[in-house]
Amino acid sequence: QQKVQQSPESLIVPEGAMTSLNCTFSDSASQYFAWYRQHSGKAPKALMSIFSNGEKEEGRFTIHLNKASLHFSLHIRDSQPSDSALYLCAVANSGTYQRFGTGTKLQVVP
Amino acid sequence: GGIITQTPKFLIGQEGQKLTLKCQQNFNHDTMYWYRQDSGKGLRLIYYSITENDLQKGDLSEGYDASREKKSSFSLTVTSAQKNEMAVFLCASGTGGAREQYFGPGTRLTVL
Repeated sequence: QQKVQQSPESLIVPEGAMTSLNCTFSDSASQYFAWYRQHSGKAPKALMSIFSNGEKEEGRFTIHLNKASLHFSLHIRDSQPSDSALYLCAVANSGTYQRFGTGTKLQVVP
Repeated sequence: GGIITQTPKFLIGQEGQKLTLKCQQNFNHDTMYWYRQDSGKGLRLIYYSITENDLQKGDLSEGYDASREKKSSFSLTVTSAQKNEMAVFLCASGTGGAREQYFGPGTRLTVL
């Protein structure tokens, strides 16, 4: 059974800093890797996703995937207080559901 | 764009009571999901359905039943509510496992 773990569990960073969030998975056949963001009391919302090894950048957010290491990460450049949220990584095979990680709670302080 | 609605927003029940949560989506997505989220943690899959009248068990299906009466709606029943399953229950829909999922606002369950 696929195991998806996130680190760190929580993180406090100053405004303007670079934030790095990590996700490891156990099934090397995984094909889809995504990050979701959930603000307090709100629904999770997809942030970005990647299918193949390498990196993908969208604005201040970059996702890195290294399938051989069973690891992908999310990097937030110039972190803002509005980025404070619970970040969830998700991994899927070719099947019909995603398996979610344990979550990283990010707080960006002014 | 579409929307997912969940009812009720807050659900309070007695220990041992049978409780039903409802979810509706207008994205016209084939696949719908029920997750449980304990106290700001990750999401655990309870049930999912890939089409009307289909049901697939997730990792946490023990103690729950589900029903997909039509494409747009997916219900979850807590068969005998327990205090240790107080959580937020999230419904989601999508076009498949390797695609973005869209979530509803959740139902917060309290068991007295």
